Amino acid sequence: SQQGEEDPQALSIQEGENATMNCSYKTSINNLQWYRQNSGRGLVHLILIRSNEREKHSGRLRVTLDTSKKSSSLLITASRAADTASYFCATLGTYKYIFGTGTRLKVLA
Amino acid sequence: DSGVTQTPKHLITATGQRVTLRCSPRSGDLSVYWYQQSLDQGLQFLIQYYNGEERAKGNILERFSAQQFPDLHSELNLSSLELGDSALYFCASSVGEVWENNEQFFGPGTRLTVL
Repeated sequence: SQQGEEDPQALSIQEGENATMNCSYKTSINNLQWYRQNSGRGLVHLILIRSNEREKHSGRLRVTLDTSKKSSSLLITASRAADTASYFCATLGTYKYIFGTGTRLKVLA
Repeated sequence: DSGVTQTPKHLITATGQRVTLRCSPRSGDLSVYWYQQSLDQGLQFLIQYYNGEERAKGNILERFSAQQFPDLHSELNLSSLELGDSALYFCASSVGEVWENNEQFFGPGTRLTVL
């Protein structure tokens, strides 16, 4: 099974609203990264959070990490139509990255 | 544009055939990673090379092989192709190794269709 499991699988919101997606993982990690993928295209790195960090911000993105619960959340504030994409968490285990199943976000104009 | 290039963009071939996918990392990046993305399996890590040496192996089939050349470009060879090998194949690169908290930069992918 996937190391990272995103929740929800799909999310549809109105422009201007906030979007929150969650990622759970199974084993110890060195870091966790969030990526965005527009339909059928390459992944774009959004943010990296190290295992000793609890929260990180980048523009309209806020990521939290709770290593005791083995979970992370990605918050996109004031969403825009251009944020429509799939979002993946990637956890770094032993010498390899494991990507979750992704959350498909649709932002309606 | 991530700076990672992949060729070809699309590849259509028949079962039993062999294909080679090519990746050029960002200038200065020493690590190259290969991933397979399919609808049923999601994004799967295949293999990583660092400065010409294999460093980590994921869910790569024995029919698949890869190498990284002295100029740091990499090739992924897929042989005895099966219908289930149809997928998007991504290459990514990073300056160092990901367990050193390095960000990966992804190429646009090669879409392989096996008929």
